[in-house]
Amino acid sequence: GAGVSQSPRYKVAKRGQDVALRCDPISGHVSLFWYQQALGQGPEFLTYFQNEAQLDKSGLPSDRFFAERPEGSVSTLKIQRTQQEDSAVYLCASSSGTDSYEQYFGPGTRLTVT
Amino acid sequence: AQKVTQAQTEISVVEKEDVTLDCVYETRDTTYYLFWYKQPPSGELVFLIRRNSFDEQNEISGRYSWNFQKSTSSFNFTITASQVVDSAVYFCALSKRMTTDSWGKFQFGAGTQVVVTP
Repeated sequence: GAGVSQSPRYKVAKRGQDVALRCDPISGHVSLFWYQQALGQGPEFLTYFQNEAQLDKSGLPSDRFFAERPEGSVSTLKIQRTQQEDSAVYLCASSSGTDSYEQYFGPGTRLTVT
Repeated sequence: AQKVTQAQTEISVVEKEDVTLDCVYETRDTTYYLFWYKQPPSGELVFLIRRNSFDEQNEISGRYSWNFQKSTSSFNFTITASQVVDSAVYFCALSKRMTTDSWGKFQFGAGTQVVVTP
């Protein structure tokens, strides 16, 4: 697999449920980003990892959102006690890190909270 | 604070017409990168072009060209001789430095929907 993959592609959750969204970055990519894209809007930054270190989580909207990348490759974005306003597409992107500026995006996970 | 403004919500053209997308940005950083990404109906963001803040030379790459003017903080993008496959949402993005050796944390504009009809 050459690109960034995300799973599941679609997730429907009832309000109050916990969800976990997975991102497999391009092999060897140091940097990993999560973005949230509401309908009709541009993606909004959530959090950034360099290897396993979460260097910036300033975009996480509340303490219900948690992200991890324990081994510096696969990352999981967890949302606890989902709310309707969490409905969005969650995009993951990776880049090779040093001296690399492009981010390669995955197809996203569309989360619908009912 | 960083901000990217794409004032055009939607542009409709007939195939073979040129399309120019406007982007205006705000940043306090002296070094930054600007990007254009395309998001087709499939949803995946596709990288198109990149320009750093020190290089205002405008270039052409195939049917794509861009006009970067630091004095007006604009980074406009043109598709020449549009095709139906160009129909997508186009995002302008501003990237800032994360650490001494890495970049990221894109600030995206709201996007411009381009509709190309045969």
